[in-house]
Amino acid sequence: NAGVMQNPRHLVRRRGQEARLRCSPMKGHSHVYWYRQLPEEGLKFMVYLQKENIIDESGMPKERFSAEFPKEGPSILRIQQVVRGDSAAYFCASSPKTGVYEQYFGPGTRLTVT
Amino acid sequence: GESVGLHLPTLSVQEGDNSIINCAYSNSASDYFIWYKQESGKGPQFIIDIRSNMDKRQGQRVTVLLNKTVKHLSLQIAATQPGDSAVYFCAENTGANSKLTFGKGITLSVRP
Repeated sequence: NAGVMQNPRHLVRRRGQEARLRCSPMKGHSHVYWYRQLPEEGLKFMVYLQKENIIDESGMPKERFSAEFPKEGPSILRIQQVVRGDSAAYFCASSPKTGVYEQYFGPGTRLTVT
Repeated sequence: GESVGLHLPTLSVQEGDNSIINCAYSNSASDYFIWYKQESGKGPQFIIDIRSNMDKRQGQRVTVLLNKTVKHLSLQIAATQPGDSAVYFCAENTGANSKLTFGKGITLSVRP
């Protein structure tokens, strides 16, 4: 019973390149959340998706960031034209349904922008 | 010089003692709370949760207490072990879409 999977675990990009982060939720989970964590800080909500729908993107920066969760395949968080301030750990969580259910987190992708 | 950023508060306890980690939450409308444990280089690991219609919930070696009057949440760990050393975050459910708002985190350090 695999947990939430994220890849890559570590990603290095130069300024101006694109970063693509992937998340496969737990089996049977159709709700995906993306969070960002800066060093020695708590996680900050970015976006909440269900299959083929963005439900809440109130935590996403207005530019350069996008997310999708297609009918088939993993959820993707895409950062275009990365800048040094994008360096952080990005975590994906999944839950079986919305409401007051716990979210299970993946191991994260650590993005470093050089 | 360059800022090194904020350091998380640290709770240091002796192995075998009980630990109490406190958290103040912000939104009186929050109806669901979770404690997570995060070890270095890993994702947050679910420990225990509690809904707003309860004031106490117990798990294995852990107890969560909720005081809605003062918007305070605490995590009690019995007989703390070296493997409990980690950063602990409380999180609250602040909206209909179940997004979680995390606190700043507290580092638990267990002395042998």
